[in-house]
Amino acid sequence: SYVLTQPPSVSVAPGQTARITCGGNNIGSKSVHWYQQKPGQAPVLVVYDDSDRPSGIPERFSGSNSGNTATLTISRVEAGDEADYYCQVWDSSSDHPGVFGTGTKVTVL
Amino acid sequence: EVQLVESGGGLVKPGGSLRLSCAASGFTFSSYSMNWVRQAPGKGLEWVSSISSSSSYIYYADSVKGRFTISRDNAKNSLYLQMNSLRAEDTAVYYCARGTVTTDNWFDPWGQGTLVTVSS
Repeated sequence: SYVLTQPPSVSVAPGQTARITCGGNNIGSKSVHWYQQKPGQAPVLVVYDDSDRPSGIPERFSGSNSGNTATLTISRVEAGDEADYYCQVWDSSSDHPGVFGTGTKVTVL
Repeated sequence: EVQLVESGGGLVKPGGSLRLSCAASGFTFSSYSMNWVRQAPGKGLEWVSSISSSSSYIYYADSVKGRFTISRDNAKNSLYLQMNSLRAEDTAVYYCARGTVTTDNWFDPWGQGTLVTVSS
């Protein structure tokens, strides 16, 4: 089945830019979605279809996807962005199409 | 406001059964695919199962196939997950999440989750 690999952790200072990668075989040919999960809370969709933002999500959150790597970029990081982030694809060619990445803990220094 | 509310979690012995429910409101339930996602304590998200809007297409993760059954009642705006032959490794918070009206599938929004604990 399809595998998505993320770095376990990313650290960033307030005001700087955090980049979270999601690696998968030819992931550029798929649509990638990203979720933010804060402790004790349900996940929240922050980017869908590689780079679209749901209503209410700040423009500081952006996404890109090419080749074997998709990236979630958080600009002008704030303390409130500290959370776990997960990428996800829907692998429609598979009998088990739902796939999540391994997750990345973003720490704001 | 779109809202999803799960219920039915609890403590169950290994080999036992449990039925989770998800009550949906604030959107046209019958138009969207629906999903179950779980999260074991301290672990990442794991996709469990998905069902298309008319129940024509149903998918399961390998880890639950043959033991779990997803279903929906569009007249009651409700999603279900029947869980049989439960194992300790099924212990997790189970989230209900709305899917999409397209062939792609992302999850938005999510319910607050219901905890399932499998232990003797």
